[in-house]
Amino acid sequence: DAGITQSPRHKVTETGTPVTLRCHQTENHRYMYWYRQDPGHGLRLIHYSYGVKDTDKGEVSDGYSVSRSKTEDFLLTLESATSSQTSVYFCAISESLQGAALATDTQYFGPGTRLTVL
Amino acid sequence: GQNIDQPTEMTATEGAIVQINCTYQTSGFNGLFWYQQHAGEAPTFLSYNVLDGLEEKGRFSSFLSRSKGYSYLLLKELQMKDSASYLCAVRASGGSYIPTFGRGTSLIVHP
Repeated sequence: DAGITQSPRHKVTETGTPVTLRCHQTENHRYMYWYRQDPGHGLRLIHYSYGVKDTDKGEVSDGYSVSRSKTEDFLLTLESATSSQTSVYFCAISESLQGAALATDTQYFGPGTRLTVL
Repeated sequence: GQNIDQPTEMTATEGAIVQINCTYQTSGFNGLFWYQQHAGEAPTFLSYNVLDGLEEKGRFSSFLSRSKGYSYLLLKELQMKDSASYLCAVRASGGSYIPTFGRGTSLIVHP
């Protein structure tokens, strides 16, 4: 199993509060991703990182920010949580993203964080 | 953009064979992934196809036809533990190369 951990694993918070989720990897992989998973929508990309301090937006980035100050950590922040952000959040990593038939492009997922915003 | 379509739910009997289809429309194709996800757990990688044809890996096989925008995951000798969601993800050429996921197919295996 890829060495990916997420914290916290479960969180309940109130509307309007800031929330930070942490993803930690021990694989020294360059690429890290944050997804949310909701019934009927599948996995949707929020933000991703292609190196320390290098990040970009995904499909559903509104209301979220990220930071990556070290290779091993990728933080997702909900600046002011809303009920629509209740979801399961998955972090993923990959060694590369060459756009070729490389095993190193495969994404490996962390265990997930279940967030409930009341 | 991309459009990925999978059946929402399928049921099958233990010991049988089941085929889970995935159709896609994308501007440029650069690979298709299949993941398995048990309830309450993370997705885990099953297979990757970028060329036409069948890739076999034990009880699981994955097929790709790029001209038809079509893939399937074939599960043989079904076991109860195969009850899970199966996610199809397609990568387009150009852009970020990050795969886009379909909504997943929930497979229920009955005794």
